[in-house]
Amino acid sequence: GQQVMQIPQYQHVQEGEDFTTYCNSSTTLSNIQWYKQRPGGHPVFLIQLVKSGEVKKQKRLTFQFGEAKKNSSLHITATQTTDVGTYFCVGGFQKLVFGTGTRLLVSP
Amino acid sequence: EAGVAQSPRYKIIEKRQSVAFWCNPISGHATLYWYQQILGQGPKLLIQFQNNGVVDDSQLPKDRFSAERLKGVDSTLKIQPAKLEDSAVYLCASSLVGGRSTDTQYFGPGTRLTVL
Repeated sequence: GQQVMQIPQYQHVQEGEDFTTYCNSSTTLSNIQWYKQRPGGHPVFLIQLVKSGEVKKQKRLTFQFGEAKKNSSLHITATQTTDVGTYFCVGGFQKLVFGTGTRLLVSP
Repeated sequence: EAGVAQSPRYKIIEKRQSVAFWCNPISGHATLYWYQQILGQGPKLLIQFQNNGVVDDSQLPKDRFSAERLKGVDSTLKIQPAKLEDSAVYLCASSLVGGRSTDTQYFGPGTRLTVL
């Protein structure tokens, strides 16, 4: 079946450092969504990318969809403690498939 | 706008017992999803309803799990009998239309199940 892998599995940064998580699919995606899950919380929708090569920004967050529509990345500039949580990419096939997630820890 | 409601928030049972979870989606949302999230993993889709029909239940362990969505609104997920490996957070989500990979899913707070 379709699989969506994310790397790294876990990253610990100092506040102010940048962070990037990468998402890779075994097959071409129709779209990709990103969700954030705070510790003890539930996934919350961040953004959706549909077009090949698309780049979207939300304040310090930059999302990119690969040209081949098989990979995506989320980059956070100058992390803050409020960025702590697990970031999931969700691959759009005929249905949505959650990636393995990247857990981000930010130390003040 | 009220979000997705779930109850109970926490449940502790012994193995071989039964348990049921309840979900009330956002008003007007046609599609409802049940996910199982084991600690440290991403959510795994158990079942997807569109209105009151099942769209996808390919990952639902049907020998012990069952789900229904009466009248296309509320839904219940039941486990009977529970096993130790069922310990997880059970998340309910809803989306406005459903059936499309571009739909945004809105998640409830989840029910944390511990099986002893």
